[in-house]
Amino acid sequence: GAVVSQHPSRVICKSGTSVKIECRSLDFQATTMFWYRQFPKQSLMLMATSNEGSKATYEQGVEKDKFLINHASLTLSTLTVTSAHPEDSSFYICSATTTGEGKNIQYFGAGTRLSVL
Amino acid sequence: QKEVEQDPGPLSVPEGAIVSLNCTYSNSAFQYFMWYRQYSRKGPELLMYTYSSGNKEDGRFTAQVDKSSKYISLFIRDSQPSDSATYLCASFSGGYQKVTFGTGTKLQVIP
Repeated sequence: GAVVSQHPSRVICKSGTSVKIECRSLDFQATTMFWYRQFPKQSLMLMATSNEGSKATYEQGVEKDKFLINHASLTLSTLTVTSAHPEDSSFYICSATTTGEGKNIQYFGAGTRLSVL
Repeated sequence: QKEVEQDPGPLSVPEGAIVSLNCTYSNSAFQYFMWYRQYSRKGPELLMYTYSSGNKEDGRFTAQVDKSSKYISLFIRDSQPSDSATYLCASFSGGYQKVTFGTGTKLQVIP
């Protein structure tokens, strides 16, 4: 199946710093990538949809200046949590859709656990 | 009402049992149905996806969709301790429409 690599898997940072998370599709081209946030024992909350070469579409309530998304190529999207605060601590997961599928079957990365001290 | 409803569990079964995981959905436009498995502190892994109604089998896993009752099921035969995880159902209407996820059912298979 399609492989999505997410890096880093774990980040611990001080309050006020910025953290960048990378999401790569390893064996396919992904025109669309998605960023989710997951709290303990809860389902995935879609934060934004990232399309290659265009601005990301953010879900209601998600601050675009706080969570910067760059989809620079068909295989790479990055999420930057700017000026992170303890309330940003969460599990962030990316997913990608293969263009060959012609439909939104999403393949997920392993996730990044962010802890802001 | 959530578009996709799923019993959070936990569901505990003995090793070798047949497991039945279920979801209901409310959006009649949903055409694609997926099941993901998520181990603790990991991203979801796609297990199966089906289009419209019917059954789909892959090894020990069988996905079943009944559009008339808006019911989605995943059956696991000969369950193993390694199947212990949270199982998420998901649906969307087609193309690149937004995917709606259930909250997940936590399964524990006891040796």
